[in-house]
Amino acid sequence: GESVGLHLPTLSVQEGDNSIINCAYSNSASDYFIWYKQESGKGPQFIIDIRSNMDKRQGQRVTVLLNKTVKHLSLQIAATQPGDSAVYFCAERGVKAAGNKLTFGGGTRVLVKP
Amino acid sequence: NAGVMQNPRHLVRRRGQEARLRCSPVKGHSHVYWYRQLPEEGLKFMVYLQKENIIDESGMPKERFSAEFPKEGPSILRIQQVVRGDSAAYFCASSQQGTRDEKLFFGSGTQLSVL
Repeated sequence: GESVGLHLPTLSVQEGDNSIINCAYSNSASDYFIWYKQESGKGPQFIIDIRSNMDKRQGQRVTVLLNKTVKHLSLQIAATQPGDSAVYFCAERGVKAAGNKLTFGGGTRVLVKP
Repeated sequence: NAGVMQNPRHLVRRRGQEARLRCSPVKGHSHVYWYRQLPEEGLKFMVYLQKENIIDESGMPKERFSAEFPKEGPSILRIQQVVRGDSAAYFCASSQQGTRDEKLFFGSGTQLSVL
C-alpha cells in the first residue's frame, strides 16, 4: 500500500551546522508534500510544503527538495538552532485522496548539540 | 496550531470503559481530520468529516470506534470498551473548505492512557 518512510530515525547536529532530513515515498501519484515539526507534547506544526510540479522550495532557513524520479524528499535546515530540536515528519497527499487527507512518514528526531 | 482545541489533554480510562475525545476546529472551519499516533511513530489517518457527514473513514477500526461532527458543537471521537492497545495520542486537524490548496492546522492532541 501507500507509505512514506524515512532513512534516518535520529539525527544529531551541532548548533550552527546545517541539517538534512530525508524521506522516501512510494506513491508515485502523490501531488503534494509537506514537512511538519513536532515538539514533545504538541501537535504537528507546518514547516514548508511543495507541489509535485516543483523540485525546490525555500522558506526561512528551510529548503525542501523533491526528486520525483527516485521518490525522495528532503528538508534542509540552515544554521540549526537549539529550538530546532524536535521530531520531523514528511507527509504526502495522493491525487485521489479525499480533501486534505495526508499520509505521514515515521519521523526523524533531530537533536541539536550546543 | 492556531485555534484547534482538543480536550481533554490527558484522559485515563480503565479497560472496558468509554473514551470521548473532543475537537473544536478553527473558527469557520468545517472539515475535521482525526489521526492517531503511537509512541515513536508517525500519525496514522483515521477519519475525515465534514459537518454532519463522514467523508472518509478508511482508517477507522471497524469496531468500537466512531466519530461525528454535528452541525453545532465539536467533533467527537468515541472509543467504546477501550483496550490497552488504544493507548495513544489522538490528534485532530481542521481546514476551512477541504480544498486541496489548504493547509491543515493541528491541535495539541489528547493523550489516552488505558490502564
